[in-house]
Amino acid sequence: EVQLVESGGDLVQPGRSLRLSCTASGFTFADYTMSWVRQAPGKGLEWVGFIRSKGYGGTTEYAASVKDRFSISRDDSKNIAYLQMNSLKIEDTAVYYCVRDKPFLEYLYGLDVWGQGTTVTVSS
Amino acid sequence: EIVLTQSPGTLSLSPGERGTLSCRASQSVSSTYLAWYQQKPGQAPRLLIYGASRRATGIPDKFSGSGSGTDFTLTISRLEPEDFAMYYCQQYGISPPYTFGQGTKLEIK
Repeated sequence: EVQLVESGGDLVQPGRSLRLSCTASGFTFADYTMSWVRQAPGKGLEWVGFIRSKGYGGTTEYAASVKDRFSISRDDSKNIAYLQMNSLKIEDTAVYYCVRDKPFLEYLYGLDVWGQGTTVTVSS
Repeated sequence: EIVLTQSPGTLSLSPGERGTLSCRASQSVSSTYLAWYQQKPGQAPRLLIYGASRRATGIPDKFSGSGSGTDFTLTISRLEPEDFAMYYCQQYGISPPYTFGQGTKLEIK
């Protein structure tokens, strides 16, 4: 079964750091770009960023709202993607979803596999 | 950044009716990279349509997508109780940032 499982969500104080993990199974993780998407309580979806597969250089892109504070990495040997969140703000409070993105060498695709989400609450 | 505006914000329909949801982009979007998602309370979003008109795996043919340029539509024929949910459009692909529409709530009339 193709699956993504996020972990690491917690209650943290503003200004602190947190790292989320996304463990993949059931597919060749290394072949996919992996995205993170968040959803604040009662709000819509917001793309956070992605990390390309090694085939595309393993580079990253971020939303302006998190650039310079968040970073995404991956360990293809463990099938895990990470979201490192620094200098957390109250407005970063959200459910964070890990999402399977572009397959290597495919041009017609969708963000088709989503984890169940992990909750990050930033509060003093 | 491409802004996606969905309309209406809330759509009230009865089971058996046809639902038409709109997504308008602030600038032209490649049809290859326009998707629609369904989200139910407490659940992760589910991909319905990608490439503007292609149904994702396991999605019934009552869901259809169309459009190009700046105007895209999701149509749900023969609404069933399980179809009442939030729907989001998204543009993605080769030019980040990805953006989502603000969502349309499809509710039972």
